[in-house]
Amino acid sequence: NAGVTQTPKFRILKIGQSMTLQCTQDMNHNYMYWYRQDPGMGLKLIYYSVGAGITDKGEVPNGYNVSRSTTEDFPLRLELAAPSQTSVYFCASSTDRGNHYGYTFGSGTRLTVV
Amino acid sequence: RKEVEQDPGPFNVPEGATVAFNCTYSNSASQSFFWYRQDCRKEPKLLMSVYSSGNEDGRFTAQLNRASQYISLLIRDSKLSDSATYLCVVTLSGSARQLTFGSGTQLTVLP
Repeated sequence: NAGVTQTPKFRILKIGQSMTLQCTQDMNHNYMYWYRQDPGMGLKLIYYSVGAGITDKGEVPNGYNVSRSTTEDFPLRLELAAPSQTSVYFCASSTDRGNHYGYTFGSGTRLTVV
Repeated sequence: RKEVEQDPGPFNVPEGATVAFNCTYSNSASQSFFWYRQDCRKEPKLLMSVYSSGNEDGRFTAQLNRASQYISLLIRDSKLSDSATYLCVVTLSGSARQLTFGSGTQLTVLP
């Protein structure tokens, strides 16, 4: 059982380039999320999805886009990368049933924009 | 004002010590509360949920005071392996279970 898988693990981008961070989960969770974590800070929510075809903005969505065509996949797109997007990106999924939440995080993507 | 505020740390304690972390949250509609642990350059992992009645998991005890909007974590008999950053996390009622994180408190347990 792989849980939440993120690719790539590391990436260096030049200013103005674009890329897609991949995220897939095999737990059949309806809820999926993208967070970013800057050095010495907690995680901040970028976008989230409550099911296939449904996405919504979080606290820091500017400069990013997402799509959710399947339950399993929730890619994050960076258009026109900027140095301010240098961060560690975590994808997560959660069950929508019960009180346990069942949050599972991916191992993260370390992105540097130069 | 930050939604979730934590002790800035870092905390450096000897093995066997008892250490306490505090956290306050600003939104009175917050519904669920957690402590997460994050090792260096790793993803956060759930340490424990926090309930109004207080709860214990081995050496770890969590307390919640809804009236004061205050959460605490107590670690007894600290081990070297407890060295990590501890993140205070809350969720809002009616939300899609989005987590709101504090900035974390770094703990180093010294031999």
